[in-house]
Amino acid sequence: DAKTTQPPSMDCAEGRAANLPCNHSTISGNEYVYWYRQIHSQGPQYIIHGLKNNETNEMASLIITEDRKSSTLILPHATLRDTAVYYCIVRANAGNNRKLIWGLGTSLAVNP
Amino acid sequence: NAGVTQTPKFRVLKTGQSMTLLCAQDMNHEYMYWYRQDPGMGLRLIHYSVGEGTTAKGEVPDGYNVSRLKKQNFLLGLESAAPSQTSVYFCASSSHGKTSLGANVLTFGAGSRLTVL
Repeated sequence: DAKTTQPPSMDCAEGRAANLPCNHSTISGNEYVYWYRQIHSQGPQYIIHGLKNNETNEMASLIITEDRKSSTLILPHATLRDTAVYYCIVRANAGNNRKLIWGLGTSLAVNP
Repeated sequence: NAGVTQTPKFRVLKTGQSMTLLCAQDMNHEYMYWYRQDPGMGLRLIHYSVGEGTTAKGEVPDGYNVSRLKKQNFLLGLESAAPSQTSVYFCASSSHGKTSLGANVLTFGAGSRLTVL
């Protein structure tokens, strides 16, 4: 599974959009981009994933560049409860998750 | 649905003691995993299982054993605890990922914080 690069930390004002970038320049054609987040002391929580089209769900939007080498997770109206570490992971959709590489993610601080 | 449940949530051990962490999932997932998380490091896979009765080593298996006698349960054992095993342990599960979008999402438990003195 491909490795990803994320900024270690970001700040965002409450109510504003939070845009979290992720570089995955070595992504393969069959690999998806997954985003998880981990609120302090809790287990990671799935947010969203996509292959090449932009995706949106009730939590966030995922924008993937046309060459698929980078993506952006968008939290449209960040709240204090969105303060967490956000992980970007790329992997093929089938098979087990034993090869996932969990980096340190981006620590997002949403400020009042 | 309870999802993934880990017990206990907290435990303090003395060096050399043994213990077992229990993970239970009610989603009928085929795959189950045990991770550890330490400050300044990402999640690291200890052991995993692709089905009932099967287990395999992950990235950091030394000092741990696992068993999956029932599909819904995955046990992590420490036979002789060491201070280096002080960590937060997370169990997770996922389906086989051969079906539609979203089929390969990891669902995590709330974590078990272990301190070895």
